[in-house]
Amino acid sequence: KQEVTQIPAALSVPEGENLVLNCSFTDSAIYNLQWFRQDPGKGLTSLLLIQSSQREQTSGRLNASLDKSSGRSTLYIAASQPGDSATYLCAALNTGNQFYFGTGTSLTVIP
Amino acid sequence: DAGVIQSPRHEVTEMGQEVTLRCKPISGHNSLFWYRQTMMRGLELLIYFNNNVPIDDSGMPEDRFSAKMPNASFSTLKIQPSEPRDSAVYFCASSFLFYEQYFGPGTRLTVT
Repeated sequence: KQEVTQIPAALSVPEGENLVLNCSFTDSAIYNLQWFRQDPGKGLTSLLLIQSSQREQTSGRLNASLDKSSGRSTLYIAASQPGDSATYLCAALNTGNQFYFGTGTSLTVIP
Repeated sequence: DAGVIQSPRHEVTEMGQEVTLRCKPISGHNSLFWYRQTMMRGLELLIYFNNNVPIDDSGMPEDRFSAKMPNASFSTLKIQPSEPRDSAVYFCASSFLFYEQYFGPGTRLTVT
């Protein structure tokens, strides 16, 4: 069974800092990997989707990379802002059409 | 598109009562997912449908839970009878061919 791990569970950084969030998965037979953010009391908002044939995707200040061979994905946030404070979750879609979510990294950007 | 629509947004009920949660997926999406989120267990997949057919319901915790998708634009998750441990936020999500998932705002269920 696929296991998805996100470390650290919580992260606090000063405004303006560049940061990296990590996502590890045990089964490299994934179809895609998706990053989400969740604000307190809200649903999940899709940030980026990386197909298994891709290495990275970019959207604004966000860049997500995927290394299937090592079972890792990273989400890079440039020039962090207080509005980036949220919980970030990654989800791996296995070729068996099952989504597996990590437990998330809670990010706080301090003004 | 209005996105994934869920109702109600909040539900408070007494133990033993029947609870029905509703979801309208994004038009054109052919996969629908029901999740439950709690602080203790995180986000759990309960069941998913592909082209209105239940594909995997192994995440449904027990027989008190049931889900239906009578057509491409509507799904329900029913809990009967409800118990306090069912208290959680229930999310519905949809996607096209297992590509990007889009989540609804969730239903916060409290069973007293």
